Amino acid sequence: GQNIDQPTEMTATEGAIVQINCTYQTSGFNGLFWYQQHAGEAPTFLSYNVLDGLEEKGRFSSFLSRSKGYSYLLLKELQMKDSASYLCAVSDSNYQLIWGAGTKLIIKP
Amino acid sequence: GAVVSQHPSWVICKSGTSVKIECRSLDFQATTMFWYRQFPKQSLMLMATSNEGSKATYEQGVEKDKFLINHASLTLSTLTVTSAHPEDSSFYICSARDPRASDTEAFFGQGTRLTVV
Repeated sequence: GQNIDQPTEMTATEGAIVQINCTYQTSGFNGLFWYQQHAGEAPTFLSYNVLDGLEEKGRFSSFLSRSKGYSYLLLKELQMKDSASYLCAVSDSNYQLIWGAGTKLIIKP
Repeated sequence: GAVVSQHPSWVICKSGTSVKIECRSLDFQATTMFWYRQFPKQSLMLMATSNEGSKATYEQGVEKDKFLINHASLTLSTLTVTSAHPEDSSFYICSARDPRASDTEAFFGQGTRLTVV
């Protein structure tokens, strides 16, 4: 079956760095997405990886290893507004998005 | 980026009534739109794939007669929750793919919070 695993909840301190991991097993692979979702709102796009390596975009970076079925989202210089759920999603062989359950990130002052 | 607009943002309805939710792609033509349901503290669950000009493809366990989907144009898909019951209360989100973007990037509507009383 298809499966996306990510931690349920993480806590970090304002100004620090946090890494959110995602492992996946899917039928085919056409890219991995990270989305941010604040409570009561729809997800917003953060990053897309289809090749191995690190993609950096401001304070956020995303890494992918296809051979290991593994990705992480790295958030630097954490701000209180980064408190949200972070969803990992994989596009499978049919280009359908398979979603992880999301990681709730709590930022403390 | 592409814009997807969803309306209404929230709705409260009485049990037994029907509710229609609209999803529009504002600056691109979306041949395919997706409808998700999200319960509190859970991830998105795909309900159905809406295809312009043809019948929607429903995921296993989703009642197609209860959740009516119409994708009559390249910019509009609607989800109608018929004979709503309190257990249908949830956050409903639509998304669409912009063919001008990467193959699979999805742009989301704002979501609709449905409360059935």
